Amino acid sequence: KAGVTQTPRYLIKTRGQQVTLSCSPISGHRSVSWYQQTPGQGLQFLFEYFSETQRNKGNFPGRFSGRQFSNSRSEMNVSTLELGDSALYLCASSLHGNTEAFFGQGTRLTVV
Amino acid sequence: QQQVKQSPQSLIVQKGGIPIINCAYENTAFDYFPWYQQFPGKGPALLIAIRPDVSEKKEGRFTISFNKSAKQFSLHIMDSQPGDSATYFCAASIGTSNTGKLIFGQGTTLQVKP
Repeated sequence: KAGVTQTPRYLIKTRGQQVTLSCSPISGHRSVSWYQQTPGQGLQFLFEYFSETQRNKGNFPGRFSGRQFSNSRSEMNVSTLELGDSALYLCASSLHGNTEAFFGQGTRLTVV
Repeated sequence: QQQVKQSPQSLIVQKGGIPIINCAYENTAFDYFPWYQQFPGKGPALLIAIRPDVSEKKEGRFTISFNKSAKQFSLHIMDSQPGDSATYFCAASIGTSNTGKLIFGQGTTLQVKP
């Protein structure tokens, strides 16, 4: 059974640009959550999608957005990148959201 | 109210020792408490999880102890090995709700010396 796949693994962007990250959940899982991981703030919840609808949102600015497709794959977008957006972005999939969550390897975003 | 406080920040034990990592929470609505293990360059991997209706759960060398009245839970790693050297995160969520939002502790970096 394939795990959670995130692409790309590494990304370098310039301040002011925008970026799109992709997450393919475990087959059959309908919930995808996104997290930002930094040394200073740890793991912070960005948002969760379930059946193509955003079900919960963390405390991040509107520059961070996401969507989910009918096959449960999800993308997150960060517009007008800032240096402080440099982080490891992780997605987690679960069957319904309130069950075991499995993480992908993450996308390491560096903003220069 | 939404925080999970984890301690210690780092821990060094000898092979065969029993490292213990502690977490505390305030929100009594939390009812699902997983632990994750993360190696450098990898995503967190689910180790073991507990719900408040039990006080202890074991899976292999990993044990969670849960104290509902104190709002605390801890991870014990029996017979620790150098391969257990990693960062460990506790987390909490309202498992009965329709949300996958996990609130994480700050993490504990464990080093197991040979």
